[in-house]
Amino acid sequence: DVKVTQSSRYLVKRTGEKVFLECVQDMDHENMFWYRQDPGLGLRLIYFSYDVKMKEKGDIPEGYSVSREKKERFSLILESASTNQTSMYLCASSSRGRQNQPQHFGDGTRLSIL
Amino acid sequence: AQTVTQSQPEMSVQEAETVTLSCTYDTSESNYYLFWYKQPPSRQMILVIRQEAYKQQNATENRFSVNFQKAAKSFSLKISDSQLGDTAMYFCALRPLGNEKLTFGTGTRLTIIP
Repeated sequence: DVKVTQSSRYLVKRTGEKVFLECVQDMDHENMFWYRQDPGLGLRLIYFSYDVKMKEKGDIPEGYSVSREKKERFSLILESASTNQTSMYLCASSSRGRQNQPQHFGDGTRLSIL
Repeated sequence: AQTVTQSQPEMSVQEAETVTLSCTYDTSESNYYLFWYKQPPSRQMILVIRQEAYKQQNATENRFSVNFQKAAKSFSLKISDSQLGDTAMYFCALRPLGNEKLTFGTGTRLTIIP
């Protein structure tokens, strides 16, 4: 089975801090995604990576950056955390080109910015 | 651009009843994939069922089935003999052929009442 592991289930940080959310997948998937989940808004794509060192902006990239130095790891970075970034963050991975295959999700990180 | 609409924010049904969750979508693509995902409370998002738009036959997975109406751009999920473990957020999602990204609806919170 595909395993997508997010480094923290819960995280509390202060405004202005630099925050790193880490995600690792073990299925050699080319694609990795970071989503933000908010009540009433569903899942919104922040960033997407289809290969090492490649990234593409999603629907809401402002205030975020990403890093993909290795195929299995995709990091989301909040450069200067703000209270409106309090949310649930989900990482996902999928195999490139196999579009009938689903994305596989991690457990999520519930991030609170105080 | 694609949009996915789930018009029922919350639903509840008695255990063993049948429930239908609605999903409509809009896309200019002729070939695409549709998915229903389930997110149980505090647990990982998992795939429930998928449908390829070029297939007319509705997908079925045990107690879960879809009613796919391509002309109407409708993709509803029917859960038969509902169980307590079906309590979850359900998300409808669309991925056009050739596009690695998913577009999600806002979700339906389903509660199964004992």
